[in-house]
Amino acid sequence: DTGVSQDPRHKITKRGQNVTFRCDPISEHNRLYWYRQTLGQGPEFLTYFQNEAQLEKSRLLSDRFSAERPKGSFSTLEIQRTEQGDSAMYLCASSSGRQGAHEQYFGPGTRLTVT
Amino acid sequence: DQQVKQNSPSLSVQEGRISILNCDYTNSMFDYFLWYKKYPAEGPTFLISISSIKDKNEDGRFTVFLNKSAKHLSLHIVPSQPGDSAVYFCAASAGYGQNFVFGPGTRLSALP
Repeated sequence: DTGVSQDPRHKITKRGQNVTFRCDPISEHNRLYWYRQTLGQGPEFLTYFQNEAQLEKSRLLSDRFSAERPKGSFSTLEIQRTEQGDSAMYLCASSSGRQGAHEQYFGPGTRLTVT
Repeated sequence: DQQVKQNSPSLSVQEGRISILNCDYTNSMFDYFLWYKKYPAEGPTFLISISSIKDKNEDGRFTVFLNKSAKHLSLHIVPSQPGDSAVYFCAASAGYGQNFVFGPGTRLSALP
């Protein structure tokens, strides 16, 4: 098992452009989470999926953000019309979803810089 | 309103000594807690967990203590090693399947 992977690791974009990030969870993990982390803060929850169903979205997730997990495996997070305030590390995590297994395993993150 | 607080932004400790990292929370519904370690340019790595039915959990050099009445938990690392130098995050959730709320982190420097 190779763990959670994210692509790209770094993205620099100009304000107003759209960006899309990909996350591949640990295989057979049915829960997938997206977080955002800014400097000096802990990860902040954005949204999560159980299989292909998006079950919860944070109020941090504005209308410009959309996430999908079409086949219950990998997920994408798209940000439309990026703003400088979107600059952050975007982290993906997965968990097994088994009863009592709360632990979430994180990928290395995608660092977004909006210029 | 910050529901999970780590009031020490940084901590330095000598190699071989005990490191104690503290975490306070305000939401009495939180019943499961995790500690993560994060190196620069990497995602957080899971260290140890504790549920509210316990007051202590050990895993090798790492022990987590939970004081529910004080809404406080702490992570003890004994003995500290230079490789422990990282940012440590405390995270809490209110029930199985709920998302975790993270604290702002404490940067530990374990000096040789």
